[in-house]
Amino acid sequence: EIVLTQSPGTLSLSPGERATLSCRASQSVDSTYLAWYQQKPGQAPRLLIYGASSRATGIPDRFSGSGSGPDFTLTISRLQPEDFAVYFCQQYGSSPQTFGQGTKVEIK
Amino acid sequence: EVQLVESGGGLVQPGRSLRLSCVASGFIFDDYALHWVRQAPGKGLEWVSGITWNSGNIYYADSVRGRFTISRDNAKNSLYLQMNGLRTEDTALYYCARGRNNDFWTGQDYWGQGILVTVSS
Repeated sequence: EIVLTQSPGTLSLSPGERATLSCRASQSVDSTYLAWYQQKPGQAPRLLIYGASSRATGIPDRFSGSGSGPDFTLTISRLQPEDFAVYFCQQYGSSPQTFGQGTKVEIK
Repeated sequence: EVQLVESGGGLVQPGRSLRLSCVASGFIFDDYALHWVRQAPGKGLEWVSGITWNSGNIYYADSVRGRFTISRDNAKNSLYLQMNGLRTEDTALYYCARGRNNDFWTGQDYWGQGILVTVSS
């Protein structure tokens, strides 16, 4: 099973600042099979990025993904109030699909 | 509009069974792989199981293999999760989620609102 480790656990930032979230895999993951999700309290996860760098439908361009196995990054260029949430990375290239433990982006 | 609506959750004693259902609408059901993902209270996401469009390939997390069975009925636009031998650690919000296309190896682009399963004596 591929273990994904996200850092930091919590990121405290102000609106307008840049957020950089990391996801490291325990073994190499093809970038084709890496996704990022956003989850707000009481809501289902929302797909942001797939294939490490492709934005899902309707996702603003302030969200960008990069990296290659084993290290991947989600960047939010200028935080908007609605971006404060928990973010999960996921690998879906091998079974079982696995998620990172999440990074909480909170208002400083 | 794509919709996934889960049902069948509730409170159940350890060792008992429960069957979750997910009814889909707004897309061609048998064009997509489907998945169950769960989230224990206050915890992260755990992929549980997935099934290809034609049920030809099925996968499970180690934590549920041998106890849970995923299935789908394309004629009814429905996905199921039969859960047997439930344990307290199975307590979670269970999400039905759609793969991005007919390839199983994709992320999940649409999710239901989840259904709560509580395993407790």
